[in-house]
Amino acid sequence: AQTVTQSQPEMSVQEAETVTLSCTYDTSESDYYLFWYKQPPSRQMILVIRQEAYKQQNATENRFSVNFQKAAKSFSLKISDSQLGDAAMYFCAYRRGFGNEKLTFGTGTRLTIIP
Amino acid sequence: EAQVTQNPRYLITVTGKKLTVTCSQNMNHEYMSWYRQDPGLGLRQIYYSMNVEVTDKGDVPEGYKVSRKEKRNFPLILESPSPNQTSLYFCASSLSNSGSRDEQFFGPGTRLTVL
Repeated sequence: AQTVTQSQPEMSVQEAETVTLSCTYDTSESDYYLFWYKQPPSRQMILVIRQEAYKQQNATENRFSVNFQKAAKSFSLKISDSQLGDAAMYFCAYRRGFGNEKLTFGTGTRLTIIP
Repeated sequence: EAQVTQNPRYLITVTGKKLTVTCSQNMNHEYMSWYRQDPGLGLRQIYYSMNVEVTDKGDVPEGYKVSRKEKRNFPLILESPSPNQTSLYFCASSLSNSGSRDEQFFGPGTRLTVL
């Protein structure tokens, strides 16, 4: 079974600084997708960024980028120029490339932005 | 507006009193799924549906039922709720069940408390 591990329950960063959230996963499959979701206090689940396992290039979405290390099964999220609106719980998630589109989530990292 | 809706958003009930949480999407999505979110555990899949009349168990199906009579609706039924089902519930949907990179859209969540 696939597992996703987020070893940092809480992180904090100064506004305008850069922070990296860690995620590791375990799978025996070669075809899969990885995601970072943001959950603000409103509880809405918001997709931040996704990465296809077959792509070597790291995904980037504005201030958000990932460091995807397939051999190490690592998928970290870097947030540049942190803003107050980035404060949220962040979940790393895995999905296999076929069949049930179940997302397997990590336990989350709560990010606090210090003004 | 493309969206996934859930009702009710908040519910307090008592042990053993049957309840249904509705989920509806207006995007003609084939795949729908229910997750529960608990502190320290992330989100875990309860049930999923690949299409009308096709449902299957996820990782934590005990105590829950679902049905998929229409493409747009995927209700979650608790026949005899117990306190350990107190949780935050999310419905999600995506366009296809072919394992593509389609984004999974989440509903706003239902906070359920079972006394």
